[in-house]
Amino acid sequence: EIVLTQSPGTLSLSPGERATLSCRASQSVRSSYLAWYQRKPGQAPRILIYGASSRATGIPDRFSGTESGTDFTLTISRLEPEDFAVYYCQQYGSSPLTFGGGTKVEIK
Amino acid sequence: QVQLQESGPGLVKPSETLSLTCTVSDGSISNYYWTWIRQPPGERLEWIGNIDYTGSTNYNPSLKSRVTISVDTSKNQFSLKVDSVTAADTAVYYCATGAGWLPVYWGLGTLVTVSS
Repeated sequence: EIVLTQSPGTLSLSPGERATLSCRASQSVRSSYLAWYQRKPGQAPRILIYGASSRATGIPDRFSGTESGTDFTLTISRLEPEDFAVYYCQQYGSSPLTFGGGTKVEIK
Repeated sequence: QVQLQESGPGLVKPSETLSLTCTVSDGSISNYYWTWIRQPPGERLEWIGNIDYTGSTNYNPSLKSRVTISVDTSKNQFSLKVDSVTAADTAVYYCATGAGWLPVYWGLGTLVTVSS
């Protein structure tokens, strides 16, 4: 199975700053089938990005995803107060689907 | 927008069967893939498996021998059963769905604790 390694584990930033989250896959992800989710306490996980770089419906354009080989990046260009949460990457190109361990973006 | 709600016992005894149901609203259960995912305390999210509208299932090999996912289109529900549970099955269980294998819409999750 594909192992996804997210870094850093925690990112301490201030509103307005840029956040860069990394997700590295142990092998190639078929068809760039890599998604990013946001999860806040008491809420259902929300999909942000699919296909490595396509924003899901209703997701602000401050969220962007890129891919370079087996390295995937989620960038939040300017953090808004509502963006402080835990972010997960997931590959859905091969079974079993797998998730990264998560990156917590916290207020500095 | 599709909404999902997990339901079922919050406490299950070791060696018994864990049973959860996911009720789907604002969407037809006949058109999507229906997925179960869990997250044990302090661990990463784990994909359990899915079922499509034809009833075809796919399971994580790590759980395949103990898991059954089924769908009841008449009730707009799908279900999860995990046999012979141990403390390692204690987790927050999520149901989710999407047009393909990608889970787009998720429920809030429900905590199931395995303990005597």
